[in-house]
Amino acid sequence: DTAVSQTPKYLVTQMGNDKSIKCEQNLGHDTMYWYKQDSKKFLKIMFSYNNKELIINETVPNRFSPKSPDKAHLNLHINSLELGDSAVYFCASSLWTGEIHNSPLHFGNGTRLTVT
Amino acid sequence: AQSVTQLDSQVPVFEEAPVELRCNYSSSVSVYLFWYVQYPNQGLQLLLKYLSGSTLVKGINGFEAEFNKSQTSFHLRKPSVHISDTAEYFCAVSDPDNYGQNFVFGPGTRLSVLP
Repeated sequence: DTAVSQTPKYLVTQMGNDKSIKCEQNLGHDTMYWYKQDSKKFLKIMFSYNNKELIINETVPNRFSPKSPDKAHLNLHINSLELGDSAVYFCASSLWTGEIHNSPLHFGNGTRLTVT
Repeated sequence: AQSVTQLDSQVPVFEEAPVELRCNYSSSVSVYLFWYVQYPNQGLQLLLKYLSGSTLVKGINGFEAEFNKSQTSFHLRKPSVHISDTAEYFCAVSDPDNYGQNFVFGPGTRLSVLP
């Protein structure tokens, strides 16, 4: 009955490879996010989707491409992986009610990506 | 743009002592405020939130925080910590009126509870 689940938990790959991380939420939320946490624990938003529509697209290399097939899923595909992509990637979800957002974020347990 | 400052990157404290983790945010307009906790190798878990109403907010695990609008602060407190409270704590701010500009996190405070 996990609320926000992401797979895989660990991902070790070589430079230049392409990989995907999947995220699913069963909370009935309509907004999903990808955050990147670096080695110093700093959290930075990458993307946000509301009802499958991209609403936040921060300065992220275009090697990163999110895809939201429905509002319960937000996957992250990364092309041509680089050493600097090594980090923990967190999926999160929340609920917008009308035009006011008052729902906290619910996080998955993270995917630790190591690029060698 | 919103920003969140957590002045202490690390806070060591002995077990059963009180602790305060400081958080200041930049905006003078209405905001929602949150504290999250991250245990090792886990995702972030909501401790408490301030949306409106009483400025003293109680959360899980005995934590509480006080919203101070004039000082733009939202400090987290616990009167007596346990070893199990050792974790990273993140303060976050959300702008309820700015669709898509959400959840800016502070850099985190590492709380280490010593026996």
